[in-house]
Amino acid sequence: EVQLVQSGAEVKKPGESLKISCKAFGDSFTNYWIAWVRQMPGKGLEWMGIIYPGDSDTRYSPSFQGQVTISVDKSISTAYLQWTSLKASDTAIYYCARHVGVDRRDGYDYYFDPWGQGTLVTVSS
Amino acid sequence: EIVMTQSPATLSVSPGERATLSCRASQSVSSNLAWYQHKPGQAPRLLIYGASTRATGIPARFSGSGSGTEFTLTISSLQSEDFAVYYCQQYNKWPLFTFGPGTKVDIK
Repeated sequence: EVQLVQSGAEVKKPGESLKISCKAFGDSFTNYWIAWVRQMPGKGLEWMGIIYPGDSDTRYSPSFQGQVTISVDKSISTAYLQWTSLKASDTAIYYCARHVGVDRRDGYDYYFDPWGQGTLVTVSS
Repeated sequence: EIVMTQSPATLSVSPGERATLSCRASQSVSSNLAWYQHKPGQAPRLLIYGASTRATGIPARFSGSGSGTEFTLTISSLQSEDFAVYYCQQYNKWPLFTFGPGTKVDIK
């Protein structure tokens, strides 16, 4: 059974850079995509992108393309989400999750399971 | 882009009662829909995928139905631990995924 453990809360100033992490325990890290999901204060969940640790193939939501970078270090079973210049509007909880595809008769079912505990990022001057 | 809507925004239910949550897609997503439960301070939890398949370990009181553009999550008899926000999420065209805005189920 895989467990995803995320790095701790961060407080940053606008314009600063940041890289948060998501470490996988207990399963083959390179066999599943890892997703990142944002939850802004008082708001719902937004899918940001996914990465396949086996070959670092990365896909972004159009809403987040160019705004963040998703990467991975498969040698330590860790995925990353990074910003080069934070804005106040990046204040949110960020979750990683394993992205699973299950074969079914007429295609695939895709879902996010399990999830990390979340990393709170606060950007304030 | 497929837009997901959920209703109601808040559902007030007494313990032991039935809760019915709705999710609608702006275009057909076939049965490519999942439901998640999210409690404050916790990680979201997968409940249902394929519109109606319960995830491993999910109690039978949770059931999903629907296809195309209209979906329903039913909690047959609400337990205290079920008060949470519930999100639907479509995955009709990989890798573009969208979540609905959520339905908060609170205690009546």
